[in-house]
Amino acid sequence: KAGVTQTPRYLIKTRGQQVTLSCSPISGHRSVSWYQQTPGQGLQFLFEYFSETQRNKGNFPGRFSGRQFSNSRSEMNVSTLELGDSALYLCASSLNRGGIYGYTFGSGTRLTVV
Amino acid sequence: GQQVMQIPQYQHVQEGEDFTTYCNSSTTLSNIQWYKQRPGGHPVFLIQLVKSGEVKKQKRLTFQFGEAKKNSSLHITATQTTDVGTYFCAGAPEGGSEKLVFGKGTKLTVNP
Repeated sequence: KAGVTQTPRYLIKTRGQQVTLSCSPISGHRSVSWYQQTPGQGLQFLFEYFSETQRNKGNFPGRFSGRQFSNSRSEMNVSTLELGDSALYLCASSLNRGGIYGYTFGSGTRLTVV
Repeated sequence: GQQVMQIPQYQHVQEGEDFTTYCNSSTTLSNIQWYKQRPGGHPVFLIQLVKSGEVKKQKRLTFQFGEAKKNSSLHITATQTTDVGTYFCAGAPEGGSEKLVFGKGTKLTVNP
């Protein structure tokens, strides 16, 4: 079966701009979680969507937002980009909430803010 | 909130040596998961442990869940260059908080 698809794979944006990242989970998976990965900070949880509702949220500013559509596809948006937002953004798909029985990760979107 | 500590942060070994990474949670876990991320890649699910004292093996990899369900270890016997990457543990807290908490990972490098 198809894996988790994240688009785009790479992005270069300028400070102050906004960006939207997309994630299509594995067919049948209703939970999509987003993580930010930077070299020094490991995997930091952004938020989780399940059945189109945000179920959990990490400690990120309000500039980071997301949504999930009825087909379980999810988008995350970052507004007013800062240099520190440069990171690999990973989407994780799971059958159950919270990835408690395991995640399948997408290949990620590498965002560079200049 | 729940914390998952993983040590060591880095480990460099000669090919053929053994490697172990340890994971400790501040709270009791319902299960623990292990992931591997190759350089330039994304985390890939390796295994999940659920029972107290559980031990599972995958070829040269041995995973263990502590008796108190608060700690875990991953041991690799006779490392190979293909084992290079970062190994993450992730704990699911007991008691209904449906949110996995990741450790910061152990980055393994292997000298051929």
